[in-house]
This record gives sequence, C-alpha cells and structure tokens, in this order.
Amino acid sequence: GQQVMQIPQYQHVQEGEDFTTYCNSSTTLSNIQWYKQRPGGHPVFLIQLVKSGEVKKQKRLTFQFGEAKKNSSLHITATQTTDVGTYFCAGRKGAQKLVFGQGTRLTINP
Amino acid sequence: DGGITQSPKYLFRKEGQNVTLSCEQNLNHDAMYWYRQDPGQGLRLIYYSQIVNDFQKGDIAEGYSVSREKKESFPLTVTSAQKNPTAFYLCASSMEDTWYNEQFFGPGTRLTVL
Repeated sequence: GQQVMQIPQYQHVQEGEDFTTYCNSSTTLSNIQWYKQRPGGHPVFLIQLVKSGEVKKQKRLTFQFGEAKKNSSLHITATQTTDVGTYFCAGRKGAQKLVFGQGTRLTINP
Repeated sequence: DGGITQSPKYLFRKEGQNVTLSCEQNLNHDAMYWYRQDPGQGLRLIYYSQIVNDFQKGDIAEGYSVSREKKESFPLTVTSAQKNPTAFYLCASSMEDTWYNEQFFGPGTRLTVL
C-alpha cells in the first residue's frame, strides 16, 4: 500500500537556526498537505501542494513539492520558539485515503 | 464558533471494558475520520465516514467500531478486543472526502487502559 516516510524523526536546533523536514512517498501523489501539532495539541492544517515542482511560502516557512510528485519538504528559516512542535506531511493518491508521515518533532533551544 | 469537539480529554478504563469516545462537529462537513496517534508513529486511520449512515474501515479497524447516525456525530467505541488501546485518539472532519480538502482536527482524547 501507499507509504509516506518522513525524516528526520527528531530535530533539535538553536533558536535562529534553520530547520528542514523531508517527506517521501513510494508512489506518485495527487497532493501533499502539511500539518503542525503543538505539544499537547492537535494537528492544524498549514498548506497544500498540488502541482509538480510547486513552491509555496508562508513567512519563514517554505514548502516544496518535487517534480515527480513523490517528495516534499518544509524548510523553516531562522527558527523561533513558537515553531516548536511536530510537523506532519500527508499525501494522497487519487481516491485513496490520506496517508500521514510519522512526523518530525522539532525542539528549539532558546 | 465552528469546530470539532471531543470528550472527554482524558479517559481511564479498566482492561476488558468497552469505552465510547465522543466526536461532534458543527462545520457541516460530510466526511469524518478517527485516527490513533502513538509516539513516533504518526496518525493511523481507524475508520472514516463519507456520509451519514455509511462508514469504512481504515488501516487499523480491528477492535474498534463506529456509527454515523447524524451528520454532526461520529462516536468511536474501543472494544475489549483491541489489544493495545492506550493511545491518543483524534477525530477529524473535512468538507468532503476528496483529495483536495484539508482535514480539521478535534482536541483529542487520551485513553489510558489500566
């Protein structure tokens, strides 16, 4: 079945450093969604990528969808303590169910 | 104030007891989902429903049951057949179960079976 792998599982950075998490699918996806879950909270939708090679930005966050629509990345520039949490990618192939990656837990040393 | 509510936030049960987790949404969404979250394993789909009176098994449905008698409500029962029920359970909804719709999550219920 469809699998979505996400790396790294954990990342600890100093405040101000950059952070990147990567998402890889075993199959070509229709879209990629990214969610953020704060400690003790629930996942909250951040963004959706649909087109091959698509790049979207939200302030310090940059999201990319690979040319083959099998991989994606989330890059945070100059992390802040408010960025702490677990970031999930989730991919879907057509009518199949949304499949979540394992998540990358980001912790930040202020 | 639209959203998804789950109750209770924390739930403790003895082994061998069935327990029902509540999920209510007032977003007028057709599709609803139940996920289980364990540390380091992301979100795994238990059951989902695309419309009232219809639901399908997800990847880990064994030991769970659901009903969808009303559009707003999608309760999950964790039965005694579930071998390892202690987990964080998340309910979600989306406008429709289509590839371009994002999912909105409730605050979750943390179930501990003693």
